[in-house]
Amino acid sequence: EAGVVQSPRYKIIEKKQPVAFWCNPISGHNTLYWYRQNLGQGPELLIRYENEEAVDDSQLPKDRFSAERLKGVDSTLKIQPAELGDSAVYLCASSLSGQGHEQYFGPGTRLTVT
Amino acid sequence: RKEVEQDPGPFNVPEGATVAFNCTYSNSASQSFFWYRQDCRKEPKLLMSVYSSGNEDGRFTAQLNRASQYISLLIRDSKLSDSATYLCVVKGWPGFQKLVFGTGTRLLVSP
Repeated sequence: EAGVVQSPRYKIIEKKQPVAFWCNPISGHNTLYWYRQNLGQGPELLIRYENEEAVDDSQLPKDRFSAERLKGVDSTLKIQPAELGDSAVYLCASSLSGQGHEQYFGPGTRLTVT
Repeated sequence: RKEVEQDPGPFNVPEGATVAFNCTYSNSASQSFFWYRQDCRKEPKLLMSVYSSGNEDGRFTAQLNRASQYISLLIRDSKLSDSATYLCVVKGWPGFQKLVFGTGTRLLVSP
């Protein structure tokens, strides 16, 4: 069974530029999560989707970050404009549902903002 | 105070040693507890859940002390392949489905 797929794996951009990350969850997983992991820290939740509905986006910096999961399958996370402090690994995870099922993480996108 | 606190390490141990990691959490309403493992430049993967009565999976033993809000992971007979970062993870109210990760404890097992 294919795992969570993310692209790109690496991205280097200049500050003030836009950037987008894509995630395809494990087939059949209704719940999708975007996390950000800074160096030396644990992942922090940015947004959680149940199907196409964003049910927890309290940690998403809405002035510059946006996300969508239009058909309840794959998802895109966007940053516009990027700032130096956005350099991090952006991890996507999915689970069968939000109710106590294991979250499976993708390999992440390593973003460097220069 | 951080919601989940761990000693970042690194813990340097020889092969065959027993090593223990501790973790404390601040939200007494937390309901579920886990240990995740993260290899260098890889994604986190679930190592084991932590149950109130304590649980064991091969060389790994997890303990939970709700009164002290404390979780532990014991690794016996360490292998070189155990070298990784171990993330303590807590889930519970508010935001019932939200996983809160500690900063992780780095383990280095040497020959």
